[in-house]
Amino acid sequence: NAGVTQTPKFQVLKTGQSMTLQCAQDMNHEYMSWYRQDPGMGLRLIHYSVGAGITDQGEVPNGYNVSRSTTEDFPLRLLSAAPSQTSVYFCASRTGGVYEQYFGPGTRLTVT
Amino acid sequence: GENVEQHPSTLSVQEGDSAVIKCTYSDSASNYFPWYKQELGKRPQLIIDIRSNVGEKKDQRIAVTLNKTAKHFSLHITETQPEDSAVYFCAASIRDTGFQKLVFGTGTRLLVSP
Repeated sequence: NAGVTQTPKFQVLKTGQSMTLQCAQDMNHEYMSWYRQDPGMGLRLIHYSVGAGITDQGEVPNGYNVSRSTTEDFPLRLLSAAPSQTSVYFCASRTGGVYEQYFGPGTRLTVT
Repeated sequence: GENVEQHPSTLSVQEGDSAVIKCTYSDSASNYFPWYKQELGKRPQLIIDIRSNVGEKKDQRIAVTLNKTAKHFSLHITETQPEDSAVYFCAASIRDTGFQKLVFGTGTRLLVSP
């Protein structure tokens, strides 16, 4: 099993550009989440999904969109990048009823 | 909303000493409390967790204690080693519209000096 994978590892965007961060898992996990990690602020939930076709907002959803067309994939879209979205983004997955989350390796995004 | 406070933000110890990191939470319905270790440039990895029906859990040099009445839980690392140096995050579960979410503390940077 590859576990949770994320691409790209690093990305630099200009303000106003859009892009998609990719996340995939091969563990057949129902639940997938996106977090952002900023210095001194821990991990904050952006969006999550409890299964294909079902998504909902987390703590900091503004400026981000998600979709879940398959169990395996959960992409995060930045519609119009802003410097405030400079962060490290982690995708995570778990099975329903089990609390342990598995994190992907992260994407470091810089918006200039 | 649910809040998790974590202290201290940095902790420096000598190799062989013990380290204690403390967290408090606000939602009395929280029932799952994991601790994650994150090495520089790496992903967070679960090192130990505890459910609300248990007061203490140990795994070799690592232990977690939970006080539900006071709504706080702690991570204890004994006989610290340089490879324990990392950022540690606590988290508490909350249930929102049927989905168990995790709210994370702000992290503790542990430095173990040889």
